Amino acid sequence: AQTVTQSQPEMSVQEAETVTLSCTYDTSENNYYLFWYKQPPSRQMILVIRQEAYKQQNATENRFSVNFQKAAKSFSLKISDSQLGDTAMYFCAFMKHGGGTASKLTFGTGTRLQVTL
Amino acid sequence: DAGVIQSPRHEVTEMGQEVTLRCKPISGHDYLFWYRQTMMRGLELLIYFNNNVPIDDSGMPEDRFSAKMPNASFSTLKIQPSEPRDSAVYFCASSPFTGFYGYTFGSGTRLTVV
Repeated sequence: AQTVTQSQPEMSVQEAETVTLSCTYDTSENNYYLFWYKQPPSRQMILVIRQEAYKQQNATENRFSVNFQKAAKSFSLKISDSQLGDTAMYFCAFMKHGGGTASKLTFGTGTRLQVTL
Repeated sequence: DAGVIQSPRHEVTEMGQEVTLRCKPISGHDYLFWYRQTMMRGLELLIYFNNNVPIDDSGMPEDRFSAKMPNASFSTLKIQPSEPRDSAVYFCASSPFTGFYGYTFGSGTRLTVV
């Protein structure tokens, strides 16, 4: 079974600053996908960024980027130029490759990020 | 596309009553998932379907819970009888065949059982 660990329950960052959220996972799989989801107070789960394990290049989406370290089983999220709208709960998630088909997403416990003025 | 549509957004019911949560996935998505979110247990997968067929229901907490997907555009999660410990946010999500795109979630149903 896979496990996902987010060791930072809460974090705070000032507007325009950069913050990094940590995530580690445990798996015996070689091919898998990793995701970061954002859950603002509206409770909607929003996909932020995704990474395929076989790709060494780190994914980026505008102000969001990841540091994927496969050997260390680490998948951190960096938010640059933080904005008030980034205030949310952030979840790291793991999915087995399973031949390329969709399967179960296993979530971490989340990190609550507060962006302040 | 309107995204994944869940109803109702909020539900308050008395213990012992039957509750039915509804979900319309994104058209063309092959997979549908039901998750439950609580403070204590986080996000838990309850059950998921592929092409309307249940694939894994090992997360369904007990026989009081049942889920159906009669067609590609509709699914229900039923709790009968409901108990206070069932109070949670229930999410439906759908995904295309390939897992790389992750899921698209609905806005969830907040269930309160009093």
